[in-house]
Order: sequence, then C-alpha cells, then structure tokens
Amino acid sequence: NAGVTQTPKFQVLKTGQSMTLQCAQDMNHNSMYWYRQDPGMGLRLIYYSASEGTTDKGEVPNGYNVSRLNKREFSLRLESAAPSQTSVYFCASRVQGNTEAFFGQGTRLTVV
Amino acid sequence: DAKTTQPPSMDCAEGRAANLPCNHSTISGNEYVYWYRQIHSQGPQYIIHGLKNNETNEMASLIITEDRKSSTLILPHATLRDTAVYYCIVRATGNQFYFGTGTSLTVIP
Repeated sequence: NAGVTQTPKFQVLKTGQSMTLQCAQDMNHNSMYWYRQDPGMGLRLIYYSASEGTTDKGEVPNGYNVSRLNKREFSLRLESAAPSQTSVYFCASRVQGNTEAFFGQGTRLTVV
Repeated sequence: DAKTTQPPSMDCAEGRAANLPCNHSTISGNEYVYWYRQIHSQGPQYIIHGLKNNETNEMASLIITEDRKSSTLILPHATLRDTAVYYCIVRATGNQFYFGTGTSLTVIP
C-alpha cells in the first residue's frame, strides 16, 4: 500500500517554464489537497478537491491550476513558473468527515 | 476555522513527558482539534484528534480543557525521534486543514 505518491521528488525550472506536479493515492479517498511550504513556515493550502469532479481554491491559489483527473489523481500545474514559487509542495488525501489526512513525501521545486 | 496559538519552540529531556500546549480560544462547537507533526521536512504525519473528550492512542494523549479553549498534546516518553515540528489545527467537518507555524520540539539526550 503506497499511500500518497508524488512525482517528481525534485525539480529545477527556469522562470517562465511550465510543469505539472503529479499526485496519486491508492486509499480510495474522496478528498485531495495541494499545499506549499516555504522555509521556516507552516503549510499553506493552494487548492483542494473535496470529491471527484470538484476543485476549489485555498489560501494561495494564484499562479496555479489543478485537475482532479479521477478519484486517484490530483495534479498541480504551474503555467509560467516564477522564483516566488520555489517551495516544497505536498499532496494529501483523506476519506471524508472527521478523518485524518495522509500526506505524500513532497516535491522540492526550485525556480531559477 | 478557528486560529490556534502555539509556542514557537520547546525542549524536552529524553524519556520525559513532552507537553505541547495549544490555545484555540475562538473554537466553535463543531470544530475538532487535530495534531500533526513534521519530521525533517517530510510530509506531515497525523497524531491524534478530538472534539471535547480526552483521547489517547499509541502515539500520544490529547487533553482538551472543559471550555475547549485550549488543549495539550502529551508524548508520554519522548525519544530523540520525536524531535519535530508539531502542528495544532482546529477544523470543522467539511472544512479544510489550515496549518500554522507549529511548535518545534527538540528532545535532548
């Protein structure tokens, strides 16, 4: 049981390049989330998907788009990367209700 | 979701109980208290959660005051592997998990 899997683990982009961060969960969870974590700070919610077919903005959605491809997969896209998007990105999922969220191991993104 | 206040850092001697406080004075009646920890910038790990009763599991105990305005996470016998950042989150059903900056716990040999 892999849990929440994020790819890639590391990525370096040039300013203006685009890329998609992938997240997949094998726990049949309904809700999925994307967070970013800057050095010395807590996690900030970018986007979430409460269920398949729905997505909503979190605290810091500007510069990002998401796709809930199916129940398993939730991708995060940077259309035109900026140095301010240098961060560690975490994907999470959970069933519903008052259950805990499970996190992936993160994608470390550097934009130069 | 209610805001939480945690001390930025704490130390604890190895083998002793670590008591991590969290203030959530504006918590609503339908909001749960969750605790997560993050070790070495890995993905956060769930520890425990509760509504108003005290809770215990294999990792920790959660003590919530009667007025629910504060709580304490207790690690009964801290080990070096418990060194991490601990996040206290309050959340209502259907809402999302919003993390603050947490408490950096250092377990000292």
